[in-house]
Amino acid sequence: DIVMTQSPDSLAVSLGERATINCKSSQSLLYSSNSKNYLAWYLQKPGQPPKVLIYWASTRESGVPDRFSGSGSGTDFTLTISSLQAEDVAVYYCQQYYRTPYTFGQGTKLEIK
Amino acid sequence: QVQLVQSGAEVKKPGASVRVSCKASGYSFTNYGIHWVRQAPGQRLEWMGWISAGNGNTKYSEKFQGRVTIIRDTSATTVYMELSSLRSEDTAVYYCAREDYENVFDIWGQGTMVTVSS
Repeated sequence: DIVMTQSPDSLAVSLGERATINCKSSQSLLYSSNSKNYLAWYLQKPGQPPKVLIYWASTRESGVPDRFSGSGSGTDFTLTISSLQAEDVAVYYCQQYYRTPYTFGQGTKLEIK
Repeated sequence: QVQLVQSGAEVKKPGASVRVSCKASGYSFTNYGIHWVRQAPGQRLEWMGWISAGNGNTKYSEKFQGRVTIIRDTSATTVYMELSSLRSEDTAVYYCAREDYENVFDIWGQGTMVTVSS
């Protein structure tokens, strides 16, 4: 199975400041035939299901604010929130959909400092 | 609107089976696949398996092979996940999620809490 490891496990950022979450996969998620990275980012608020933010490592889902961005390729990926808002408090997960079983990172809990 | 609505919470004894339903509405049911993902308390999300709502093909995680069955009823636009030989470690929230054309899980059910306890 592909192991997904996020860092840090938790993060406290001031409102309006930048938040950065990293995700590393145990195998490359870059599919050579289409040059796409099979990596998605989700956020999950307490008592709610996950919600997709980013797919193909850097494509923002429709309706997701542009303060959210994704980058990276191969095995190293980053989710950046450019200016933290109060409603961004959540747990963030990366997920690989390159190969089954699809696997998720352990999650990063983002809080307000 | 597009939504997935799951059945209610379940409490089961060890060794029993549980069936969770996921009713789809607001979109063409047979054009998408449905995945099942669970989340045990304090644990990461865990993928269990997938079904093509169109032709009924399935793929399961090896971890659950032999214990999980996913089926769909096209007339009811509903997908069912059955997990057998339950043990305490199966206590979790179980989610269904639609896979969109970009291969990501764009719509999720509200989750179903399954508690396994003697």
